[in-house]
Amino acid sequence: GNSVTQMEGPVTLSEEAFLTINCTYTATGYPSLFWYVQYPGEGLQLLLKATKADDKGSNKGFEATYRKETTSFHLEKGSVQVSDSAVYFCALIWGTYKYIFGTGTRLKVLA
Amino acid sequence: DVKVTQSSRYLVKRTGEKVFLECVQDMDHENMFWYRQDPGLGLRLIYFSYDVKMKEKGDIPEGYSVSREKKERFSLILESASTNQTSMYLCASSSPELAGSNTGELFFGEGSRLTVL
Repeated sequence: GNSVTQMEGPVTLSEEAFLTINCTYTATGYPSLFWYVQYPGEGLQLLLKATKADDKGSNKGFEATYRKETTSFHLEKGSVQVSDSAVYFCALIWGTYKYIFGTGTRLKVLA
Repeated sequence: DVKVTQSSRYLVKRTGEKVFLECVQDMDHENMFWYRQDPGLGLRLIYFSYDVKMKEKGDIPEGYSVSREKKERFSLILESASTNQTSMYLCASSSPELAGSNTGELFFGEGSRLTVL
């Protein structure tokens, strides 16, 4: 069946370090892929998305590229800030409503 | 600003009590969802509704029911709360995309943290 696997956390980085959070997926067809972020005490909000192979989603300095050949959608940021500390969820959608979420990766950025 | 509002941020209930979690969205979305969020398990879908009075079971519907009498409101009901239902509950909504264009973004509420003693 369809699934999303993302790296275990927590990830602890110093401010201005490079961030990669790995995400791979298993799906039939060509799902759209998403990264959601959950800041402390809040619900999830969309960070970026990509709807087809080789698409790059980007927002707030974060990027992820839809790689069909490796079934991956890794999240990257060149220079993290303390305010980026949050839990990050990789997700896919297939059909019109079936969303599959990864287990989440907690990021902690130290000043 | 678009908004999904969950009625209670924190609830503490006793085993066997009936619990209502309310969710309201102001975006005129057709689709509404209830998820449960637990550490290490990510988000798991409890129930989904694609229209007023319409509902479908998600991955973990046991012990839960839902009600959608109006388009903007989707309620989650725990008929008899149990300790294993202690969790964070997230409501979300989305607008269905045209067939063949499955790019719909989910809009989430802030969550309701339920503790069952």
